[in-house]
Amino acid sequence: GENVEQHPSTLSVQEGDSAVIKCTYSDSASNYFPWYKQELGKRPQLIIDIRSNVGEKKDQRIAVTLNKTAKHFSLHITETQPEDSAVYFCAASSLTGGGNKLTFGTGTQLKVEL
Amino acid sequence: DAGVTQSPTHLIKTRGQHVTLRCSPISGHKSVSWYQQVLGQGPQFIFQYYEKEERGRGNFPDRFSARQFPNYSSELNVNALLLGDSALYLCASRLGVGNTEAFFGQGTRLTVV
Repeated sequence: GENVEQHPSTLSVQEGDSAVIKCTYSDSASNYFPWYKQELGKRPQLIIDIRSNVGEKKDQRIAVTLNKTAKHFSLHITETQPEDSAVYFCAASSLTGGGNKLTFGTGTQLKVEL
Repeated sequence: DAGVTQSPTHLIKTRGQHVTLRCSPISGHKSVSWYQQVLGQGPQFIFQYYEKEERGRGNFPDRFSARQFPNYSSELNVNALLLGDSALYLCASRLGVGNTEAFFGQGTRLTVV
């Protein structure tokens, strides 16, 4: 089955700096890669996603890149703000036999310091 | 439009008991998936249901079961609860079985004592 690895597990940056979180996946059939932000005690919320026919996608301060050959995808946050502090999860969507499932990474605790 | 709603929000059960968790998807969404999130980890896939049929099952024991109703709402049932079943149970709603955005409910925090 699909396996997603995520690094780093914790990331501390100064306000205004950039943050990069990296993930790798194992199933070459996976073709949809969402990123979720989860604040303490709250639900995961989608912040950006990318499909396998696209190499890069950007939405304001957030961008995601995908390297299908290497099975890598990364989240880039520029001009970080204190409200960006949260746990970020990458995920890969793979087939389950009639459906699909999301396999999540282990999460990155991002702390943006003033 | 209401988002994904789950009930109850919190639950405390004793080992060996049974629990039923409920989820109502976004209106128009026909796919419901269940995930278990243990503290400090990413969500783990349990089940996906679409049009009342099971479309996928994760690596969970037979104590876990689910079903989807004609109105697309869903129940997750867990029998013979173990301490290790303590977790946040998340329901995700999707339009269909394709790779579309998954919207999560706020979860049910289950504590087994």
